[in-house]
Amino acid sequence: SSELTQDPSVSVALGQTVSLTCRGDSLRNYDAHWYQQKPGQAPLLVFSGKNRRPSGIPDRISGSTSGNTATLTITGAQAEDEADYYCNSRDSSSDHVIFGGGTKLTVL
Amino acid sequence: QLQLQESGPGLVTPSETLSLTCAVSGGSISSYYWNWIRQAPGKGLEWIGHVFHIGTTSYNPSLKSRVSISVDTSRNLFSLRVMSVTAADTAVYYCARGGSSSGWYRLDHWGQGALVTVSS
Repeated sequence: SSELTQDPSVSVALGQTVSLTCRGDSLRNYDAHWYQQKPGQAPLLVFSGKNRRPSGIPDRISGSTSGNTATLTITGAQAEDEADYYCNSRDSSSDHVIFGGGTKLTVL
Repeated sequence: QLQLQESGPGLVTPSETLSLTCAVSGGSISSYYWNWIRQAPGKGLEWIGHVFHIGTTSYNPSLKSRVSISVDTSRNLFSLRVMSVTAADTAVYYCARGGSSSGWYRLDHWGQGALVTVSS
């Protein structure tokens, strides 16, 4: 089965740009989606596929994919961006949903 | 505005069956995939499985032997059963909508989550 790999933790200075990565073979053929989860809250879809930002998500959050790596970029990180971020996609050979292990983003 | 709400017992005895329901309001359950995801304390997200509105299902291979997901379109809800639970099944359980067609693994609406503790 397919797997998605994320860095466990990343930090960024307030106002700077940070990129979170998600790696997996299934991303060569299928979209990655990104979720933000703050403590005690449900995950929230913040970026989808190659260029789809849900309504209400600030445009400082963007995404891209190259080869087997999907990247979520936050330009000008704010304190409220501090959260856990998960990527997900689908298994290459079945109709299973897969998640990355998540990245804890700290805004310094 | 689509809303999902989980409900069910917050405490389940080991070896018994965990049962949760997700009520969908503000939209129809038709034409979409409906998912269950769980998150053990301090851990990441784990996909449990999904059901399409016509009743077809798919499950995480690691849980497949103990899990059942069903849909009731007349009541606009779907349900989860996890059999023979142990302490390792203690988690916050989320229901979520997957997109239609090729976007079925894009989870765009989530419930607030329901904490289920397995303990005697």
